[in-house]
Amino acid sequence: GESVGLHLPTLSVQEGDNSIINCAYSNSASDYFIWYKQESGKGPQFIIDIRSNMDKRQGQRVTVLLNKTVKHLSLQIAATQPGDSAVYFCAENLNSNSGYALNFGKGTSLLVTP
Amino acid sequence: NAGVTQTPKFRILKIGQSMTLQCTQDMNHNYMYWYRQDPGMGLKLIYYSVGAGITDKGEVPNGYNVSRSTTEDFPLRLELAAPSQTSVYFCASSYSKQYLYEQYFGPGTRLTVT
Repeated sequence: GESVGLHLPTLSVQEGDNSIINCAYSNSASDYFIWYKQESGKGPQFIIDIRSNMDKRQGQRVTVLLNKTVKHLSLQIAATQPGDSAVYFCAENLNSNSGYALNFGKGTSLLVTP
Repeated sequence: NAGVTQTPKFRILKIGQSMTLQCTQDMNHNYMYWYRQDPGMGLKLIYYSVGAGITDKGEVPNGYNVSRSTTEDFPLRLELAAPSQTSVYFCASSYSKQYLYEQYFGPGTRLTVT
């Protein structure tokens, strides 16, 4: 279903600034949350994930924060670069036996300006 | 490794025609998936497979069929194409249920039904 949604459809940031992309979810049973990056004309690419028993996870220039109290997920990109311009999707992997795939949100388009 | 490959990249079908979208992965992944992505939307799961000979329906399976005779290949069949099936189709794979959130996506097939 559409339990995973994004607050803003587009986000424009200047090169070198930090970017924050937000995502809300409604199902408290969600077990994993994942961020994907999709460049124009390409398939989604895994960025970072976080389990429901964590509230923060860091990668290279990216940090994912999970607030289970308000069912909110965010992706922070440090020192945003032109190559970060893409659509970013949050997705959840529901903790159930009925499916093995990801439930994707609609995506936020990130535009990095010089 | 080539990763996940899909053919064709583009296709135009007339209403009622049939076609098969090919997907192959060379990473020896057990799990494979087919998603469709409509303009400005997230990905919706069509079918998935947990191994050779095993397939199951996802969120939007109507109008599609799949087979999984080998670990490497997971073709998607459209029997009677309809305009509602105009979309971009992505195939993905993952190593196991434990790592299923790290899905590797192919470049996609852009299908137009007129």
